[in-house]
Amino acid sequence: EVQLVESGGGLVQPGGSLRLSCAASGFTFSDHYIDWVRQAPGKGLEWVGRIRKKANDYSTQYAASVQGRFTLSRDDSKNSVILQMNSLETEDTAMYYCIRVSSSFFFDSWGQGTQVTVSS
Amino acid sequence: IQLTQSPSSLSASVGDRVSITCRASQALTTTLAWYQQKPEKAPELLIYAASTLRSGVPSRFSGSGSGTDFTLTISGLQPEDFATYYCQQVKSFPVTFGGGTKVEIK
Repeated sequence: EVQLVESGGGLVQPGGSLRLSCAASGFTFSDHYIDWVRQAPGKGLEWVGRIRKKANDYSTQYAASVQGRFTLSRDDSKNSVILQMNSLETEDTAMYYCIRVSSSFFFDSWGQGTQVTVSS
Repeated sequence: IQLTQSPSSLSASVGDRVSITCRASQALTTTLAWYQQKPEKAPELLIYAASTLRSGVPSRFSGSGSGTDFTLTISGLQPEDFATYYCQQVKSFPVTFGGGTKVEIK
């Protein structure tokens, strides 16, 4: 069974940092891109970023709203992805989902999410 | 690429046929998916490549369209289908989602 489990969310002050983790199991992790999507309270879905696989040099891509503040990394030996979030803003308050990307680039498995709240 | 869903919400009864539309600001070919999200849960993939039903998804769900206009149809609404539905394009970055359609019980 494919599983993605996020952790690391919490309450942080504006300007602070937070490190989210995504632990994957049940599939060949190294074969897949991993994306993150967030959802602010009562709002829709916003794509955050992507980290590709080794064959694509672990390249990353980010939404304009987080470019320069968020960084994705992965450790295929541990089947895990890290989303490092710096210079957090109140607008970053959201549920953050880790997602397995299918070979046709659709989002076929989602984690349960981890809540990030940025507030003073 | 902007995705505009309509309606933003609808009320329907069990057994009804409902349709949700997603219009893209640029042609997508068939690089479009539909997701279902229930309250306090993560979204789940229902349909990809515009019309391909994900394995395990009931056949009452169907998707159609290409280019800029797409439709999700639920034929015979069931109690478990009351949820919010999102379309998504993966043709180009940034990946974008429609604003969502909340399907509520009449």
